Parts: sequence; C-alpha cells; structure tokens
Amino acid sequence: GENVEQHPSTLSVQEGDSAVIKCTYSDSASNYFPWYKQELGKRPQLIIDIRSNVGEKKDQRIAVTLNKTAKHFSLHITETQPEDSAVYFCAASLTGNQFYFGTGTSLTVIP
Amino acid sequence: NAGVTQTPKFRVLKTGQSMTLLCAQDMNHEYMYWYRQDPGMGLRLIHYSVGEGTTAKGEVPDGYNVSRLKKQNFLLGLESAAPSQTSVYFCAGGTGNQPQHFGDGTRLSIL
Repeated sequence: GENVEQHPSTLSVQEGDSAVIKCTYSDSASNYFPWYKQELGKRPQLIIDIRSNVGEKKDQRIAVTLNKTAKHFSLHITETQPEDSAVYFCAASLTGNQFYFGTGTSLTVIP
Repeated sequence: NAGVTQTPKFRVLKTGQSMTLLCAQDMNHEYMYWYRQDPGMGLRLIHYSVGEGTTAKGEVPDGYNVSRLKKQNFLLGLESAAPSQTSVYFCAGGTGNQPQHFGDGTRLSIL
C-alpha cells in the first residue's frame, strides 16, 4: 500500500512567523492529498486539499503545494496565530476509498 | 445540527469482552469510515462503507466487524477485545469518497 511520511513531528514558531510541514508519499498513482487539523482532544477537521492535477492551492493564510515528480506535498501557514496550535495530519489517497495518513505534526505557536 | 455523532465517548473493557461502537450521521453521506488513532501512528482505516448494505476492509481490519444496515448508521464491533485494541476510534462520513466530517471520537481502554 501507500506509505506517507510526515516531517517534522513537532514544530514551534513565534506568532506571526510562517510554518511549513512536509509530507512524502510512495505511490505515484495517489491523486488526492488532504490536510487535517486536530486540536487537543477534538476531532480532525479537513482544512485544505489538493488534487494531482493542481500544483498549488491557497485559502487565506493556508496554502498547499504539490510536487508530483518528487512525490511530496507541503502545508504552509503564514502569519501564524496561537489558535493555529494543533496537530496537523497529511494524507494521500490511492484508490479514493483508502486514505493513508501521515503520523502528524504538533505545531505550537508561541505568543 | 448534529453532523457525525459517536457513542459512547469513553469505555473500559476487560480482555475478551465484546462491544459495539455506534456512529450516526445526519449529513446524507454515502461513504462512512472507521479509523483508530494511536500515538505516533496517525489515523489508520479499519473498515469503510460506500453505501447502505456495503462494507469493505481497510488497512487494519483484524479483530473488528462492521455493519451498515441503514445509510445513517455505521457500527463497529469488537468480538473479543484485546489490549492491543486500546485506542481512540474515530468515525467519519463523506461524499465523493473522502472523509470530510469526523465524529468526536471514542476513547476505548482494554484491560
């Protein structure tokens, strides 16, 4: 099956700085790449996604980039705020029904 | 305004006991999923359903069974609980074969 690796596992940034989280995947057939945010003790929430026919997608302070050749995609958060503190998960979809998640990045935004 | 609701929220079982986790959704999702979340391992798919009356195995199906008798409900059963099944279980629903909305999770401990 697919193998999704996510780095870093923990990330601390000062409020207002940018944060970047990277994921790599193993199967070139994967074609859908969502990102989820999970606050402590709460449910994961879909925050942004990208499909393999698109290189970049933006939604306010959040952007995702995809490099199909290198098989990696990244989440970029600009002008970070304390409420951005959470665990972020990337995922890759191979068949459309099976999602393979990364192991998560714990982001802390320091006020 | 319920969305995806999981019951129970917490449960402690003894090894060998059985139980059923219930997931109910009022969002008309065709697809429903059961995941387990363990520290450092992200979310792993146990079973999923692409519609009423259908189920399929995910990445880690052993020791679990599921049923989708009604579109709005997706049940996860543990036939004979083992300590390795101690985890947080998340149900999710989606339209277009992606997990869009998660429940709040069930924290299950097997002693």
